[in-house]
This record gives sequence, C-alpha cells and structure tokens, in this order.
Amino acid sequence: GENVEQHPSTLSVQEGDSAVIKCTYSDSASNYFPWYKQELGKRPQLIIDIRSNVGEKKDQRIAVTLNKTAKHFSLHITETQPEDSAVYFCAATTYGQNFVFGPGTRLSVLP
Amino acid sequence: GAVVSQHPSWVICKSGTSVKIECRSLDFQATTMFWYRQFPKKSLMLMATSNEGSKATYEQGVEKDKFLINHASLTLSTLTVTSAHPEDSSFYICSARGQGSRNTEAFFGQGTRLTVV
Repeated sequence: GENVEQHPSTLSVQEGDSAVIKCTYSDSASNYFPWYKQELGKRPQLIIDIRSNVGEKKDQRIAVTLNKTAKHFSLHITETQPEDSAVYFCAATTYGQNFVFGPGTRLSVLP
Repeated sequence: GAVVSQHPSWVICKSGTSVKIECRSLDFQATTMFWYRQFPKKSLMLMATSNEGSKATYEQGVEKDKFLINHASLTLSTLTVTSAHPEDSSFYICSARGQGSRNTEAFFGQGTRLTVV
C-alpha cells in the first residue's frame, strides 16, 4: 500500500521568510496530492492540491510542486505570517481510494 | 467547499458506556466516509473506510467490535465506541468523499474530542 513520508517534523521560520515542506510517496499509481492545514483543535482544511498531470500549482503565497519520477511533492509558503503557524499534512491518494497522510509538520512563524 | 458536520464536537463519558459520533455530509452525497483517530501532536490515523450500504473496512489493529461503523445513507455515517475505556480518549475525525467533482477532495468534519473518565 501507499506510504507517505514528510519532512521536517517541525519548522520554525521568521516572519516574512519562506517555508518548504517535502513529502515522498511510494505508490506510483497515486494521482492526487492534497495539502491540509490544521490549527490546534480544529479540523484539517485543504489549502492546495495538485494532480499527477501537473508539475506545479500556485495560489497566492502558497505553491506545490510535484515530481512524479522521483515520487515527491513539496509545499512552498512565501512571505510567511504568524497566522500560517499550524500543522501541515500532505496526503496521497488515487481515485476512489483512501487518503494516506504524512506524519505532519508543525510550522511556527516567529514574529 | 462542501460541508461535513460532525456531532458532538466533544463528549465526556464514563468508562464502560458507549458513545455515538455522527458524521453528515450536508450538501453532497458521500459515497465514501473515512474515520480517523488523532492523538495529540500526531497525524491522522485511519481507522476504517465505509461505503454507503456496505460493511466498513477496518485497518489492521482496529477492533471492529469496539468501533462500530454504520454508513446507512449517502449523507450519514456513525461511529460508535462501545464499552469505552480511558485509553479510547482521543480526537476522532471523519472525512467524506462524494461523487463526480466531489470525489477527489476529502472534506473533514470538525472532529469529536472524546474523554473517557
């Protein structure tokens, strides 16, 4: 089955700097890769996603890149703000199958 | 995005009693629902996958007789923690996938914090 790894487990950046979180997956059949942000005590919220037929996607300060050959994808947050502080989860899935989540990255943006 | 409502958001129960958690898709038909358990500062651990009208598929190590899952309609799935013990205390979250354009993304409920005393 699918296995998703995520690094780093914790990340601290200064406000205004960029943050990068990387994930790798094992199942080459996976074709959808969402990123979720979870604030303390709240539900995970989708922030960006990418499908296997696309190499990069951007939404304002957030971007995701996908390398299908290497089976890894990354989340990039630019101009970080304190409200970006949260736990971020990557996931991989295929049509109709379960989402397999990475272990999460705790991002702290220091003012 | 689509809305998934989970109820209750928190519950405290006595050891030995049962607790039912509901997960509803409010504006789409959820063909598949997932139940997760999340320990403090940990990732989401899949407990089971349920498809409407069929028995749930449990992950290895999850006791199906203890965590009863019912997905009787396209908008409702329930998780019942039977004979709860303190070690069952956790944050339980459901997510749902729909049909068509709603199939890809997983929409999460707000979670239920269960405390067994």
